[in-house]
Amino acid sequence: DTAVSQTPKYLVTQMGNDKSIKCEQNLGHDTMYWYKQDSKKFLKIMFSYNNKELIINETVPNRFSPKSPDKAHLNLHINSLELGDSAVYFCASSQEPAGGPTFFGPGTRLTVL
Amino acid sequence: AQKITQTQPGMFVQEKEAVTLDCTYDTSDQSYGLFWYKQPSSGEMIFLIYQGSYDEQNATEGRYSLNFQKARKSANLVISASQLGDSAMYFCAMREGRRAGSYQLTFGKGTKLSVIP
Repeated sequence: DTAVSQTPKYLVTQMGNDKSIKCEQNLGHDTMYWYKQDSKKFLKIMFSYNNKELIINETVPNRFSPKSPDKAHLNLHINSLELGDSAVYFCASSQEPAGGPTFFGPGTRLTVL
Repeated sequence: AQKITQTQPGMFVQEKEAVTLDCTYDTSDQSYGLFWYKQPSSGEMIFLIYQGSYDEQNATEGRYSLNFQKARKSANLVISASQLGDSAMYFCAMREGRRAGSYQLTFGKGTKLSVIP
């Protein structure tokens, strides 16, 4: 009965490859997010989707492309991976505008070699 | 300018003692939310407590309480009766936004809490 799940938990890949991270939430929330946590543990928003519509698109290289097939899913595809993409990527969800907490998935640790 | 400031990179507390983790924020919005999350060494982000800007009472959740001082723009987390399992990174975060989907969280840099037996 995991609330926000994401796969894979670990991803090790070579520079230049393309990879995807999948996220699903079973909380019935209408907004989902991708956050990136860098090596210094700093967390920053990348994207948000509300009812499958892209709302927030921070200054992220266009090699990163989110896709939301439905309200419960938000995937992140990364093209031409670079060393600097190594980080932990968190999917999250919340119900808006009613408020309440944002719940996070377990994170995907991406290592680019 | 930083929107969320956590001035304590690391803190130590004796087991069973109380500890306060500091957080100050900066916003011009009237409506906002303040959150604390715990990140243990296993890496997951665990929601602890939430305070809305219009809430008059300080939020409490078990051993966690949020000392909300609106005029000072501070939202300190108080953990009572510390346990060894409380050793983790703690993040303060603020939610602003007026449009559905724009309620992103802005995080502080975190405080690493170590509980000493």
